[in-house]
Amino acid sequence: GQQVMQIPQYQHVQEGEDFTTYCNSSTTLSNIQWYKQRPGGHPVFLIQLVKSGEVKKQKRLTFQFGEAKKNSSLHITATQTTDVGTYFCAGSGAGSYQLTFGKGTKLSVIP
Amino acid sequence: EAGVVQSPRYKIIEKKQPVAFWCNPISGHNTLYWYLQNLGQGPELLIRYENEEAVDDSQLPKDRFSAERLKGVDSTLKIQPAELGDSAVYLCASSYIGEDIQYFGAGTRLSVL
Repeated sequence: GQQVMQIPQYQHVQEGEDFTTYCNSSTTLSNIQWYKQRPGGHPVFLIQLVKSGEVKKQKRLTFQFGEAKKNSSLHITATQTTDVGTYFCAGSGAGSYQLTFGKGTKLSVIP
Repeated sequence: EAGVVQSPRYKIIEKKQPVAFWCNPISGHNTLYWYLQNLGQGPELLIRYENEEAVDDSQLPKDRFSAERLKGVDSTLKIQPAELGDSAVYLCASSYIGEDIQYFGAGTRLSVL
């Protein structure tokens, strides 16, 4: 079955430093989504990428979808304490609405 | 617009007891999902409904887990009997049919003692 892997599992950064998490799928994806889960909270949708090589930005967050549609990344510029949480990527294959989630990257920001 | 509502938020039971979780999706969302999330892991799909039909229950452990969505709106997930390994957060999500974006509820944190 489809597997989605994320690295790193944990990341500790000083406030103001950049942060990147990477996501790799064992199969080609039709789309990839990113979610953020705050400590004690639930996953909240951030963005969806559909096109090969797509890049989307949300303020300090930059999302990329690989050319082969098998990998993706999330980059945060100049982290803030409000960025703390676990970032999950989730992908679905062609013709499927089932999302397969990665294990997430837990981001800690040291003030 | 109200989000996905789940209850209870927390549940503590002894092993071998039954337990049930309830979910009310966002109004108009035809598709409903139940996920299991273990500590330090991503959500794992248990079952997906389109209206009242369970269209994907391949990951649901049917020996002890059951779910229903009788009128195509609210849903319940039941475990009977619960085992120690069932301790986790049970998340409900909903979406429009044909849309990929899912909206999650706050979840029910189950502790089996």
